[in-house]
Amino acid sequence: GQQVMQIPQYQHVQEGEDFTTYCNSSTTLSNIQWYKQRPGGHPVFLIQLVKSGEVKKQKRLTFQFGEAKKNSSLHITATQTTDVGTYFCAQGAQKLVFGQGTRLTINP
Amino acid sequence: GAVVSQHPSWVICKSGTSVKIECRSLDFQATTMFWYRQFPKQSLMLMATSNEGSKATYEQGVEKDKFLINHASLTLSTLTVTSAHPEDSSFYICSAPEGAYTEAFFGQGTRLTVV
Repeated sequence: GQQVMQIPQYQHVQEGEDFTTYCNSSTTLSNIQWYKQRPGGHPVFLIQLVKSGEVKKQKRLTFQFGEAKKNSSLHITATQTTDVGTYFCAQGAQKLVFGQGTRLTINP
Repeated sequence: GAVVSQHPSWVICKSGTSVKIECRSLDFQATTMFWYRQFPKQSLMLMATSNEGSKATYEQGVEKDKFLINHASLTLSTLTVTSAHPEDSSFYICSAPEGAYTEAFFGQGTRLTVV
């Protein structure tokens, strides 16, 4: 099945700094979903992107889907301590293939 | 959003025993549910697809005789880890989508520790 490669594996930032995680695929993706998993918790859906070049915003979070639908990014502006967790991209209709995840830690 | 409830949240069992984990969709019917496994600091890996009224389909490398899945009703799927060993210790999570290309609703997860 299709694989999505996600980088970086870890990211540590000072509170207030920006954060970005990237997902890449060698093949065209039908969709990309983003999830957040807090330590000890379960994944929580953030958003789904389906259109080429799509950009969606949720407050300080900006999600992009590449023009070729082979890459996606999640950018957080001015991180807050509540942003701590692991962010996963995933693709699929119902059965999801997850990226490796990016663990975000924040120094208050 | 839809609610998926998973039970138990955590379980400790002795090596060689079996453990049953339940996944329920509380406010919608799920003809299909998915079981994932997540080792510490790793991603979620799909184990199997649970199909209501028919056999589960397993991903490559997942032993169907060890991880028994039963989807007895439109709201309940169970995963039984048989003859558990310490290497089966992991975080098991179920999910149930409401449809195709929609968000997946995850259960709270079950942290299994085999001693």
